Amino acid sequence: KNQVEQSPQSLIILEGKNCTLQCNYTVSPFSNLRWYKQDTGRGPVSLTIMTFSENTKSNGRYTATLDADTKQSSLHITASQLSDSASYICVVSLPSGGSYIPTFGRGTSLIVHP
Amino acid sequence: SAVISQKPSRDICQRGTSLTIQCQVDSQVTMMFWYRQQPGQSLTLIATANQGSEATYESGFVIDKFPISRPNLTFSTLTVSNMSPEDSSIYLCSVGYRAKVDEQFFGPGTRLTVL
Repeated sequence: KNQVEQSPQSLIILEGKNCTLQCNYTVSPFSNLRWYKQDTGRGPVSLTIMTFSENTKSNGRYTATLDADTKQSSLHITASQLSDSASYICVVSLPSGGSYIPTFGRGTSLIVHP
Repeated sequence: SAVISQKPSRDICQRGTSLTIQCQVDSQVTMMFWYRQQPGQSLTLIATANQGSEATYESGFVIDKFPISRPNLTFSTLTVSNMSPEDSSIYLCSVGYRAKVDEQFFGPGTRLTVL
């Protein structure tokens, strides 16, 4: 059974600073690894999606990296903004027949202070 | 990407009552799912809504408690039956396109509080 662990559980940073969120998974290879941003009271919104063969994917100030050897992904946020305050969820999907089975991490709660 | 709407966005309900949540997508989708997100927890899949047939439930979830309908490729409902305070949670509709690198899109969620 795949497990997805995220760290830290919560993080507080000052506006303009960079930060890195971690995601560790147990099962590989996988179909894809996704990072979502979830604002309070909203549904998750996709930031990046990587296949098993990719090791980096960027979306503006968000950059996701993948190290298949250590089974770890990181989400790096540069020049943080107040609007980055949200929960960031790592999802690893395994192939299953003609579909896939996603396993969700618990998320990292990021608070950006002015 | 898909535009997904859910109704209601939030509700406060009494113990023992039932609530039906609607999910509407702006395009035909291959797959529709219902998730539950309890405070501080990750998303948990309740069931996959199958068009024209019974939903496929995950372990720990049963049809009597969470009946689901999917009459067509753009609409689904989830009913939370005989509610208790333990059902207080965010319920999320999600859709997927089998042809698109397994990407999932989520609705805005329904925040349910049971008193």
